[in-house]
Amino acid sequence: DAKTTQPTSMDCAEGRAANLPCNHSTISGNEYVYWYRQIHSQGPQYIIHGLKNNETNEMASLIITEDRKSSTLILPHATLRDTAVYYCIVREGNTDKLIFGTGTRLQVFP
Amino acid sequence: GAGVSQSPSNKVTEKGKDVELRCDPISGHTALYWYRQSLGQGLEFLIYFQGNSAPDKSGLPSDRFSAERTGGSVSTLTIQRTQQEDSAVYLCASSLQSYNSPLHFGNGTRLTVT
Repeated sequence: DAKTTQPTSMDCAEGRAANLPCNHSTISGNEYVYWYRQIHSQGPQYIIHGLKNNETNEMASLIITEDRKSSTLILPHATLRDTAVYYCIVREGNTDKLIFGTGTRLQVFP
Repeated sequence: GAGVSQSPSNKVTEKGKDVELRCDPISGHTALYWYRQSLGQGLEFLIYFQGNSAPDKSGLPSDRFSAERTGGSVSTLTIQRTQQEDSAVYLCASSLQSYNSPLHFGNGTRLTVT
């Protein structure tokens, strides 16, 4: 079973920041939080991952709470091309499987 | 550089036939994964290969499903005696090393069983 909880869907205006929340209250100390997105008819695309510290790359920022029980993916200036399903994943213990949940469907509107 | 390549991109088969789906991972990637995604659903883990270790087959839904990875590179997912419920997109991913390395996905094979 997926170890994360995400809202089913969210809307965001083009040009505004999209903040996608994720709860992972049972996360263990050595488990990373990964974010992927899937645009229609394509394979999932890696966005970012982190353990404890906040992370930023050219695509997004990842904010992880101090207790690590939740995180937020931030797309600073959403575009129409960011419309996709966003998956928050906790890498399962010391195994290598990524278990995907149902994700958040983000709709960016003009 | 080249990403993960899957073939065919689409496959239509009759119920009861066997199918083979192919995955070419990114060169140098030691870990390889297969997932399945039914229409409108999330990704379902099927099987995972890492180097010469025994594969993790815990996600295979039945003994009709099997996978091989030859020479630590190309992988083939085989479905025997296909059923209509096998219709889905089959996604392959690879990573440079297993733990803590991002997975890179192909665009999948859309399998339709009639």
